[in-house]
Amino acid sequence: QQKVQQSPESLIVPEGGMASLNCTFSDRNSQYFWWYRQHSGEGPKALMSIFSNGDKKEGRFTAHLNKASLHVSLHIKDSQPSDSALYFCAVTPGDSNYQLIWGSGTKLIIKP
Amino acid sequence: DMKVTQMPRYLIKRMGENVLLECGQDMSHETMYWYRQDPGLGLQLIYISYDVDSNSEGDIPKGYRVSRKKREHFSLILDSAKTNQTSVYFCASRPQWEQYFGPGTRLTVL
Repeated sequence: QQKVQQSPESLIVPEGGMASLNCTFSDRNSQYFWWYRQHSGEGPKALMSIFSNGDKKEGRFTAHLNKASLHVSLHIKDSQPSDSALYFCAVTPGDSNYQLIWGSGTKLIIKP
Repeated sequence: DMKVTQMPRYLIKRMGENVLLECGQDMSHETMYWYRQDPGLGLQLIYISYDVDSNSEGDIPKGYRVSRKKREHFSLILDSAKTNQTSVYFCASRPQWEQYFGPGTRLTVL
């Protein structure tokens, strides 16, 4: 089965700084790539998705996809304390539109 | 606004007792999910439901079963709960591509 791995496990970034989260996947036929964010005590919530190689920007968040290198990343510009959360990378496998394969998450802490 | 509800939010049970976790969504979405979340393991899929009475096992179905008799309602049942089923359980609903999650149920099995 496809593996989705995230790095780093945890990350501390000063307020106003840039946070970079990484995710690698193993199935070249993967279709869609998601970033979800989970604040403490809540369920995960979708941040953004990307399905074409290149960059996709939404406000302070930029996702980058490189299918050839099996890599997707999320960059958060001008990080705010409210960005402190657990971030998941999730991948739609090539053989199913219904399931997501989840990484184990990156815990991001923004230090004021 | 899309809303997924879960009841109860917190539950403590003894080993061997039966557990019922309930999930509701107010938009008549066809596809719903049950996950469990443990530290360092991310989200593990227990069951997926494609519609009423159309359910499939996920990656970790052993020890669990589900029921979906109405599109808006999806239940997770643990018959004779075990201590290793202590976890946070999330239900999700999917209108198109994005999954919408409920707030979770924290289950402790003593």
